Amino acid sequence: KQEVTQIPAALSVPEGENLVLNCSFTDSAIYNLQWFRQDPGKGLTSLLLIQSSQREQTSGRLNASLDKSSGRSTLYIAASQPGDSATYLCASQAGTALIFGKGTTLSVSS
Amino acid sequence: DAGVTQSPTHLIKTRGQHVTLRCSPISGHKSVSWYQQVLGQGPQFIFQYYEKEERGRGNFPDRFSARQFPNYSSELNVNALLLGDSALYLCASSLPTAEETQYFGPGTRLLVL
Repeated sequence: KQEVTQIPAALSVPEGENLVLNCSFTDSAIYNLQWFRQDPGKGLTSLLLIQSSQREQTSGRLNASLDKSSGRSTLYIAASQPGDSATYLCASQAGTALIFGKGTTLSVSS
Repeated sequence: DAGVTQSPTHLIKTRGQHVTLRCSPISGHKSVSWYQQVLGQGPQFIFQYYEKEERGRGNFPDRFSARQFPNYSSELNVNALLLGDSALYLCASSLPTAEETQYFGPGTRLLVL
């Protein structure tokens, strides 16, 4: 049974700092790994999707990496801004279901 | 283009009642999935439907059921509501291949009293 873990559960940083969010998964037989953003009480916004054959994906200030052999993915956020404050969720997909971690709640102070 | 839409946005029910939640996928998407997100947790998979057929089911009791209509919209039904069913219910749509991004709607917040 796939389990997804995200560390840390919460993170507070000053504006402008670069930061890394971590995601680990127990079963490496995945189709893809996705990172989502969730604002309080809202739905999920897809940030990046990494196919199982890929090592990383980039979008603007975001870079996500995938290492299937070690069961790890990281989301790198460059030059953080207060608008980046949200909960970040990673999810692995193998089959029809996305398996989510509990998320990392990020707070960026100005 | 409109994203995934869900209705209602919020509702309050009492224990034992029945609820129906609705979802309209992105135009062109034929696959719809439902997830339950309890406060402080990640979303948990309930169902996936494709072309009106159930393609996957998570570990939820038979009180939970769903269906997909010819226009690819979907309903999630929950019978005999329990306090523990209080959650944000999320719908996601995607193209049918397993490698595609799932796009989520804003969710329906259900409170069971």
